[in-house]
Amino acid sequence: DIVMTQSPDSLAVSLGERATINCKSSQTVLYSSDNKNNLAWYQQKPGQPPKLLIYWASTRESGVPDRFSGSGSGTDFTLTISSLQAEDVAVYYCQQYYNIPRTFGQGTKVEIK
Amino acid sequence: EVQLVESGGGLVQPGGSLRLSCAASGFTFSNYGMNWVRQAPGKGLEWVSYISSNSGIIHYADSVKGRFTISRDNAKNSLYLQMNSLRAEDTAVYYCARSKGHLDNWGQGTLVTASS
Repeated sequence: DIVMTQSPDSLAVSLGERATINCKSSQTVLYSSDNKNNLAWYQQKPGQPPKLLIYWASTRESGVPDRFSGSGSGTDFTLTISSLQAEDVAVYYCQQYYNIPRTFGQGTKVEIK
Repeated sequence: EVQLVESGGGLVQPGGSLRLSCAASGFTFSNYGMNWVRQAPGKGLEWVSYISSNSGIIHYADSVKGRFTISRDNAKNSLYLQMNSLRAEDTAVYYCARSKGHLDNWGQGTLVTASS
């Protein structure tokens, strides 16, 4: 199984400041045949289901604010919130869909400092 | 608008069975693979099972293999999860999620509690 490890487990950021979440996979999630990283990011607010933010490591889902961006390739990935807003308080998860079983990171809780 | 609505959760004794349903609308259900993902109280997300659009490909997490069965009825736009031999550690909110590889739409979830 591919193990997904996120860091940090939690972070507190001031409003308007940058938040950075890292995700590392235990093996590559990059398909060489199409050069796509099979990595997604989700946001989950309390009492709500997860919401897709980013797929293919860096493609923003329709309707997601452009302050959210994804980067990285192979085994190391980053989700960046360029200017944290109050409504961004949530837990963020990375997930690989390179192979079965699909696996998620343990989650990173983002709070306001 | 894509809608996924789960139902069928509840309280069941360990060793018991439960069948979850997910009603889909707002898209051509028969064109998409579907998943079940669960979340134990206060914990992270765990993928449970996947079924392809025509039911030809099915996968399970090791933790549920041999106890859970995923199925779908494209004529009824519905996804199912038959859960047998339930254990305390199966207690979770169960979400159905549409698959494009990544999971682009999720239901609100249904709570399953396996407890005596």
